[in-house]
Amino acid sequence: ETGVTQTPRHLVMGMTNKKSLKCEQHLGHNAMYWYKQSAKKPLELMFVYSLEERVENNSVPSRFSPECPNSSHLFLHLHTLQPEDSALYLCASSQEWYGSGQETQYFGPGTRLLVL
Amino acid sequence: GQNIDQPTEMTATEGAIVQINCTYQTSGFNGLFWYQQHAGEAPTFLSYNVLDGLEEKGRFSSFLSRSKGYSYLLLKELQMKDSASYLCAVMDSNYQLIWGAGTKLIIKP
Repeated sequence: ETGVTQTPRHLVMGMTNKKSLKCEQHLGHNAMYWYKQSAKKPLELMFVYSLEERVENNSVPSRFSPECPNSSHLFLHLHTLQPEDSALYLCASSQEWYGSGQETQYFGPGTRLLVL
Repeated sequence: GQNIDQPTEMTATEGAIVQINCTYQTSGFNGLFWYQQHAGEAPTFLSYNVLDGLEEKGRFSSFLSRSKGYSYLLLKELQMKDSASYLCAVMDSNYQLIWGAGTKLIIKP
């Protein structure tokens, strides 16, 4: 496996379910990100981790809970979601969170989430 | 507030040239990125500009004017596979990427 991988690629869940999205990067990067992408809207940054520590949390509802056990893996735990949370969830990584022009982000293929 | 503007949709002909514009108002500037995203796929990195001027990379070029808060992506010798959305993003003073909603480019034979 190379680059950034995400599982599952598609997920349908009810509002009372609990599920987790997984992201893995094989690039040796130190920063990882979760984004939400809704149709015809800009990418919304949800969480940023740098060296396994959370550095950004953009007012995301508590029903989304990130976890970064090591620099290669990132999870997004989901519980009691709402239908408006249906979207494409993208994971990305970069060499560094900032500095020296190493902030270019590389994306995984995303998880298409449908909340019923 | 912070804002990135780019056209919603553009149409061009195979073999032609197209220019996709992006204007931005952000708190600080630490570089501008262009990404390509095919339907149902991940965004892929195209270019990064931090200094004024034109950066050329094969059929794709990206231009930046920081004083005007303006960039464009120029695609030459268009191919059908260039049909995709093109995303403009600016890194602000907090090193957070501010994204535009993307420009859907349709290539016709």
